[in-house]
Amino acid sequence: KNEVEQSPQNLTAQEGEFITINCSYSVGISALHWLQQHPGGGIVSLFMLSSGKKKHGRLIATINIQEKHSSLHITASHPRDSAVYICAALYNTDKLIFGTGTRLQVFP
Amino acid sequence: EPEVTQTPSHQVTQMGQEVILRCVPISNHLYFYWYRQILGQKVEFLVSFYNNEISEKSEIFDDQFSVERPDGSNFTLKIRSTKLEDSAMYFCASSRDSSREQYFGPGTRLTVT
Repeated sequence: KNEVEQSPQNLTAQEGEFITINCSYSVGISALHWLQQHPGGGIVSLFMLSSGKKKHGRLIATINIQEKHSSLHITASHPRDSAVYICAALYNTDKLIFGTGTRLQVFP
Repeated sequence: EPEVTQTPSHQVTQMGQEVILRCVPISNHLYFYWYRQILGQKVEFLVSFYNNEISEKSEIFDDQFSVERPDGSNFTLKIRSTKLEDSAMYFCASSRDSSREQYFGPGTRLTVT
């Protein structure tokens, strides 16, 4: 069964802390998305990756195909990073299977 | 920067009524998707659409649901006879091809009373 598991479900941090959110999936993905969902509900795509590592500003996403695991890192976290972070896997079809999300709160 | 738009932002309807949710995908994109998110739950795939036909659909996408690309810009989701359990946020997304990043609209919150 194609599933996506995320951890932790909830995460609180002090401003400036380094954040890591984890995602694991079953075999056969063609790509993995990291998405950000704001309190109002809108979804923004952060990264799509199928191997290695991508960086955008303070965000870094990595994927390890052998271990079927991906991580999203936020360096120097800020209160405006507070959101739900979702990983979603593309399983050799054109539909995304979503994880349950990680709710991040960063306090000043 | 081009973006996916959705209308309305919020729709309230009575059980049994038909609703049409509208999306305008990014103009050079060829693949279109509908997802839904029931309050407090994860986002779920409903349907994907390419070349004027459904390419994949989930078990949720039963006979009550249909999609259409009525002209060159709009992509619609119709629910024929809404049920209370259809209350959710509905997201449209588009991509240039099936292996590329999907871009999401802001969502339509559907409330069925």
